[in-house]
Amino acid sequence: GQNIDQPTEMTATEGAIVQINCTYQTSGFNGLFWYQQHAGEAPTFLSYNVLDGLEEKGRFSSFLSRSKGYSYLLLKELQMKDSASYLCAVRDSNYQLIWGAGTKLIIKP
Amino acid sequence: IAGITQAPTSQILAAGRRMTLRCTQDMRHNAMYWYRQDLGLGLRLIHYSNTAGTTGKGEVPDGYSVSRANTDDFPLTLASAVPSQTSVYFCASASGGVSGANVLTFGAGSRLTVL
Repeated sequence: GQNIDQPTEMTATEGAIVQINCTYQTSGFNGLFWYQQHAGEAPTFLSYNVLDGLEEKGRFSSFLSRSKGYSYLLLKELQMKDSASYLCAVRDSNYQLIWGAGTKLIIKP
Repeated sequence: IAGITQAPTSQILAAGRRMTLRCTQDMRHNAMYWYRQDLGLGLRLIHYSNTAGTTGKGEVPDGYSVSRANTDDFPLTLASAVPSQTSVYFCASASGGVSGANVLTFGAGSRLTVL
């Protein structure tokens, strides 16, 4: 079966750095996505990785290792507004998205 | 403002009733999707449409139907609602195709409670 694993919840301090991990087992691989979802709102796109390595976009970076079936989202200089759920999704060989259950990130002052 | 509009925002309905969730996009995206989101689970695909006039079944299609008469609209119908269909439903769209990121844009969601 296809599976995406992410921690259920993480807590971090404002101004700090946090890394949210995602491991996957899917039928094929055609890209990995990270979305942010604030409580009661729609998911919004953060990043896309299709090749191994690090993609940096401002305070957010996303890393991919296809051989290990592993990705992480790195958030730097945490702000209170970063409190949200972070969803990892993999596009499989049929170009369908398989979603993880999301990681709820709690930022404390 | 370009994007996706869903209606209703929330709804409570009795089991056995018929319900249609509306979804309209103005981005001229080819592909549209309906997902449900339940606590502790990832987004699950109900139905999708790669282009106007075509639809396909996702991971959890039973009890739901869709139509895609034109590019902009993609309604989701529950023919006879059951309590297990209590969920938050998200409509999404993407430009389509198999190359590049093909990022999804989501609507604000419709919270449905079936009693």
